[in-house]
Parts: sequence; C-alpha cells; structure tokens
Amino acid sequence: GQNIDQPTEMTATEGAIVQINCTYQTSGFNGLFWYQQHAGEAPTFLSYNVLDGLEEKGRFSSFLSRSKGYSYLLLKELQMKDSASYLCAVRDGIKAAGNKLTFGGGTRVLVKP
Amino acid sequence: GAGVSQSPSNKVTEKGKDVELRCDPISGHTALYWYRQRLGQGLEFLIYFQGNSAPDKSGLPSDRFSAERTGESVSTLTIQRTQQEDSAVYLCASSSGDRGYREQYFGPGTRLTVT
Repeated sequence: GQNIDQPTEMTATEGAIVQINCTYQTSGFNGLFWYQQHAGEAPTFLSYNVLDGLEEKGRFSSFLSRSKGYSYLLLKELQMKDSASYLCAVRDGIKAAGNKLTFGGGTRVLVKP
Repeated sequence: GAGVSQSPSNKVTEKGKDVELRCDPISGHTALYWYRQRLGQGLEFLIYFQGNSAPDKSGLPSDRFSAERTGESVSTLTIQRTQQEDSAVYLCASSSGDRGYREQYFGPGTRLTVT
C-alpha cells in the first residue's frame, strides 16, 4: 500500500517562493507526479519525477529523493493565479498496478498581495 | 483536440436511488481511471481500465459501486442504493497507456449530492 503526506495549507506573498513537501511510504515506487487543482476544477499535470534530482519547468520545479521517500514542489515568483491546491501522487511499482496513482490529501496554497 | 468529458456535471439524488455517471475519454487513450474526491480532500482511486485487460477494481469502496467500459471508449460508473457518504466529486481520467511516463488527463468531474 501507499501512505502519502503533505501539509494541508500554506500561505505566501505574491512574488515570493513556496516549497511544498511530500513524503511517501510505499510498497513499490514507479514515479511521482504533481498536479495543480484550482477550486472547482479538474487537476492539471505539473511535473513527473522518476529519478533522483530536480526537474525544472519555468517557475515550477520538482525534486525527488527515492532513498528518503521525499519530494518537493517549488513555486517561484508567485502569482495570484497560483492560489490552488497542489496534489502529490505516487505510482505504484508493482507491474499489475499499471498507471494507477495514489494521491496525498493536497496542499492548499493561498497567495496574498 | 477534445479533452475528457463527463456527464452530468451535477447530480442531486435521493438516498437509496441508483445513479449512473458517464465518462468519455480522449480518443485513442487506452487507459481510463475513476477517482472520488470528497470536499477538501485528495483523490481516492476507485477503478482502472487498461485496454482489454481485466479492470483493477481494488479501490471500489463497496459492492454498491460498479463500472463498465465499452472497448476503449465510454465508461459508466454506477452507484446503487446511494448513501449520503457517497456525496463527492467523481473524476474520470484517461492516459495513452500504462507504461513509462503517462500523464493522466482529467475530466471536469461530476458533483454528486445525495440528500
């Protein structure tokens, strides 16, 4: 099974940086995803990590340490539109699980002026 | 192209009634997933279809829940004898396969309210 933990809520100021941590305990591991979800909308894909290290994509970066069961999503130069929930999800390493994802509870980020 | 679509967008039903939720995946996507999201919470996996393989039903919370998929197209999630705890947003997602890096594309969801 999978257990995924992330903070419930974070507040940051426009233009600042926020780091959202995600820790996981899994029976297998085959990749970690971050999704963004605005209130009342469907989740949209942000990033994917399967190897250790940092993946950078514009203002967003995601880091993975498989040995520590740890990932973070880094949001730089925060904008008001970044106010949303950020979902950490792990793909099981068991072949039969295919592409099934287990999601954490999500971190609600509030960006203030 | 068209994304994942779901219908209805909202459904209000009385406790004890059956409901059917529909998902149209992105054309050509062989994998289809159903998730449930309760208010303020993360996504809870329900069921997963991949091509002609037997579906992974390990997330279905009770035998009141079932889902079908016709080939690699439309899927229907059925909840029988609905209970108030079934109230949630039901999200469908599809992806182009189950190997390697396969991003899941989500539909807008169906908000189910059981009164």
